[in-house]
Amino acid sequence: NAGVTQTPKFQVLKTGQSMTLQCAQDMNHNSMYWYRQDPGMGLRLIYYSASEGTTDKGEVPNGYNVSRLNKREFSLRLESAAPSQTSVYFCASSEWVPTQPQHFGDGTRLSIL
Amino acid sequence: KNEVEQSPQNLTAQEGEFITINCSYSVGISALHWLQQHPGGGIVSLFMLSSGKKKHGRLIATINIQEKHSSLHITASHPRDSAVYICAVRGQGAQKLVFGQGTRLTINP
Repeated sequence: NAGVTQTPKFQVLKTGQSMTLQCAQDMNHNSMYWYRQDPGMGLRLIYYSASEGTTDKGEVPNGYNVSRLNKREFSLRLESAAPSQTSVYFCASSEWVPTQPQHFGDGTRLSIL
Repeated sequence: KNEVEQSPQNLTAQEGEFITINCSYSVGISALHWLQQHPGGGIVSLFMLSSGKKKHGRLIATINIQEKHSSLHITASHPRDSAVYICAVRGQGAQKLVFGQGTRLTINP
């Protein structure tokens, strides 16, 4: 049981390049999330998808787009990468129930030069 | 003021000590989560609670809803407990979690 799988694990980009971070879960969860984690700050929500076919902005959505491809997959796209987007990105999934935990992927360490 | 405040931000202790990490929040919640993140590693959910107390091995989590406060305790701490411990809350009726900044715990042998 893989849980939440993120790819790639590491990536270095130049300013202005684009890329897509991939996330897939095999727990049949309805809800999926993208977070970024920066030194000295807590996890911040970028976008989330409460259920297949829906996406909503989180706390820090600027510069990002998302696609909920199907129930399993939720991708995060940086259209024109900026150094301020250097961060560790985590994908998570959960049931749409307040008393269920979120399951996290191992993270993607992204550096923008 | 952040919605979720953790204290201390950093904690260093000797192996065997009893550890307490605190979390205070300012909104009504449906659930509070404690998470663990090892250096360079992923994030693992330790506890989720909405009232009372939960225990798993040497870890104990308590919550006082009236005081909007939770504590994570580690008994007989061990170097392998060294990690960042994160508190997060889900507001009433909310889908999203709000995270504290984390407490970096170091247990020395």
